[in-house]
Formats: sequence, structure tokens, C-alpha cells
Amino acid sequence: DAGVIQSPRHEVTEMGQEVTLRCKPISGHNSLFWYRQTMMRGLELLIYFNNNVPIDDSGMPEDRFSAKMPNASFSTLKIQPSEPRDSAVYFCASSSRGGGYTFGSGTRLTVV
Amino acid sequence: AQTVTQSQPEMSVQEAETVTLSCTYDTSESDYYLFWYKQPPSRQMILVIRQEAYKQQNATENRFSVNFQKAAKSFSLKISDSQLGDAAMYFCAYHNNNDMRFGAGTRLTVKP
Repeated sequence: DAGVIQSPRHEVTEMGQEVTLRCKPISGHNSLFWYRQTMMRGLELLIYFNNNVPIDDSGMPEDRFSAKMPNASFSTLKIQPSEPRDSAVYFCASSSRGGGYTFGSGTRLTVV
Repeated sequence: AQTVTQSQPEMSVQEAETVTLSCTYDTSESDYYLFWYKQPPSRQMILVIRQEAYKQQNATENRFSVNFQKAAKSFSLKISDSQLGDAAMYFCAYHNNNDMRFGAGTRLTVKP
């Protein structure tokens, strides 16, 4: 199993541009999570999906953030328009019940 | 909301010695899971050990073991025979249903 695959690994973009982060969960895992990690706020849960359905998006900071999971093997997190304060490492993780999360390698986003 | 507290921002240990990282959590649930994750400089989040709340026996994984005190809501991680490769950020995590909350992390330094 290749694990949770995230792309890109690094992203540098200008303020105001649209950014799309991608995630492929582990096959058979029915839950998918997006986290953001910063020095100031640590690991924050942004949104999670269960069986492709968004369950809780209360962690999404603003309407500029949106996430989709069109099928069991793919999810996106989009920021439009991006701002410098969105700079962080974004993690995707997937899990089956009680199995703990398997994290992707993260995407380091820098907005200049 | 469930909260996870790691009261030690930084810890250090001499190579081959033992170190204990502290974690407390707050919950009204009786059925949940607890985890310790390791994040080395590569930023990959690696599952170290997991504990089911309904199990009284403390989990052990090679040199890593936990002291789970359910009544006290405490979940400490003990690393025995510390190795240079153990140097990393360590995150305690609480998992119930599809909600996982992380502590702020403890940075562990291993001195040769």
C-alpha cells in the first residue's frame, strides 16, 4: 500500500491566486480528514468526510476554503483567493474505525 | 469539546536513557482511543502507539509504552533506551467517532 498520497509537496503562490491541494486516501479507509499545521496553532482539524460525505466542516476558517470528495479515492482542498496567513503545512489523513489515522506527507503552502 | 494537553513543550534525554512524555485529556465519553504520533523533521506524522479506552492493559510497542490512567484522564508515553532517531515532535491525540484532537506537542531532544 502506497499510503496516503498528497500533492503537491510544496506550493508557492501569490496572494489572490487559487490553490488546490490533492489527496488520495488509503484504499478501504472510509474516513478522510484535512488538517492544517502552524507554529502558532498546532494541528487544526479543518474538515472530515465519512464515506465521501462531509460530516463536520466547522474547522474551515473562512468561505475562501472549500473541500470536496467526489469519490472514495480522491479529495481536494481549495483556497480561493489565497492570503499570506494561509501559509502552513496541510495534511490529509485517512482512517478506518479505531485504526488510528494514516497521514500523508503534507503540502507546505507558502503564499507571498 | 474534547481537549488534549501536553504540558511539556520541550524535553531532553540522554541516549540510552528513559524519558516520559505527559498527556492529559478531557472528555465525557467512555469509549475512545488515544494515540501518540511522532513527527520528525521530515514532517511525516508517524503513529507510534495506540490505546483503546476499554482496555486496562497498557499498550506496548518495542521501546515505547504508555501509562494509561482512565480515571485521571492521563496518557503518558515512556521511551526506553532512547536513540538518536527518537528526536522529534511527539503529539498526543484523542479519537472518538470521527473526531481526533491533538495536543500542542512536545519536542524531544536526544543527547549523544
